[in-house]
Amino acid sequence: SQQGEEDPQALSIQEGENATMNCSYKTSINNLQWYRQNSGRGLVHLILIRSNEREKHSGRLRVTLDTSKKSSSLLITASRAADTASYFCATDLTGNQFYFGTGTSLTVIP
Amino acid sequence: DAGVIQSPRHEVTEMGQEVTLRCKPISGHDYLFWYRQTMMRGLELLIYFNNNVPIDDSGMPEDRFSAKMPNASFSTLKIQPSEPRDSAVYFCASSLEVLGNTIYFGEGSWLTVV
Repeated sequence: SQQGEEDPQALSIQEGENATMNCSYKTSINNLQWYRQNSGRGLVHLILIRSNEREKHSGRLRVTLDTSKKSSSLLITASRAADTASYFCATDLTGNQFYFGTGTSLTVIP
Repeated sequence: DAGVIQSPRHEVTEMGQEVTLRCKPISGHDYLFWYRQTMMRGLELLIYFNNNVPIDDSGMPEDRFSAKMPNASFSTLKIQPSEPRDSAVYFCASSLEVLGNTIYFGEGSWLTVV
């Protein structure tokens, strides 16, 4: 069964704007990760945030985690056309068994 | 490292035929995962191995699916007999032993069963 659900399912923005995607999950987690998938390619890891962390940055990416609400958000600042992809959150219940959400499809219009 | 290597990248086969998908994980990674991705169901974990031993195969859809990992550098996912509803992208992934590590994905095997 899927643990994470992303929102929105699809997002279209202009280049230079910020993109925010949200992930909600159902049970307590140890870690939450965000992955990116370009069309026709495999998933690529973006960032990991642990359950005792509230915010993490990596370049233009900012991830927040609210364990009380069982939710996380991924913010991409100053978006570029190359950011066009699907973004997935993944949560772990036991060890290395991660469950992926349904993904948010992001389109950045040049 | 070359990353996780999967083959074939694309396969079209007729219903009833046997399909074998292959995977070479990243050297040194103790965990290997097989995922299936479809538009309807998203990304589903089929099975994962730790040190070549299957740990959880509860995601394997039915007996037509089987997976093996004869050694640390090779795994197969077999579908016999294949059906049109098996059409999907099958991803192999691997990760290190430590909890909360990054999962590295291959480029996927795009399977079409006609």
